[in-house]
Amino acid sequence: QSVLTQPPSISAAPGQKVTISCSGTSSNVGSGFVSWYQQLPGTAPKLLIYENNKRPSGIPDRFSGSKSGTSATLGITGLQTGDEADYYCGTWDNSLTGYVFGVGTKVTVL
Amino acid sequence: DVQLLESGGGLEQPGGSLRLSCAASGFTFSSSAMSWVRQAPGKGLEWVSVISAGGDKTYYADSVRGRFTISRDNSKNTLYLQMNSLRVEDTAIYYCSQRDSHAEQNWGQGALVTVSS
Repeated sequence: QSVLTQPPSISAAPGQKVTISCSGTSSNVGSGFVSWYQQLPGTAPKLLIYENNKRPSGIPDRFSGSKSGTSATLGITGLQTGDEADYYCGTWDNSLTGYVFGVGTKVTVL
Repeated sequence: DVQLLESGGGLEQPGGSLRLSCAASGFTFSSSAMSWVRQAPGKGLEWVSVISAGGDKTYYADSVRGRFTISRDNSKNTLYLQMNSLRVEDTAIYYCSQRDSHAEQNWGQGALVTVSS
């Protein structure tokens, strides 16, 4: 059972926009930076967003991140079939003194 | 380009030990904190441990504290995870990652650890 709550699945048509929420507490999301990771089937995770809203080089601007209070959100616009993957949020938890991941959200492109 | 290559995975019996290694290249290893993250079959990501750039600070998930030890050799650009008293529930793909700017920036391809009798 993760301390970060994400919806288990989201689906949308190509070209549409989806948002994935990540809900935590004051000891994790509320007090630190949130990152987002994409894991395509059968591959290692890849960093999409760090420090709430920054994109590593090579990540298209279709991916965006935001944070407000104890919740964070990943947005994906212009959804493509290649975006079908599991998406995880992550952040440091001061109470656990460790990094925590969300349970993951499976994105399906209809 | 950053490259992280894990090795040392395999099949081990419950109660046994394994040591994972992660060979790093393409960045200044001695300046980067490093982490281990695992993923049980069909499950989500679980953070395991992190070590500071100099190796003087380490943190562990409750599920492995006291059984696993993270370490590094900056002269060899290599990260390690010594896993003792292995349990069936430790079965997972173990990823090493480069930690920077509060995130796991780069990931290896993973090493499979199977604990079974």
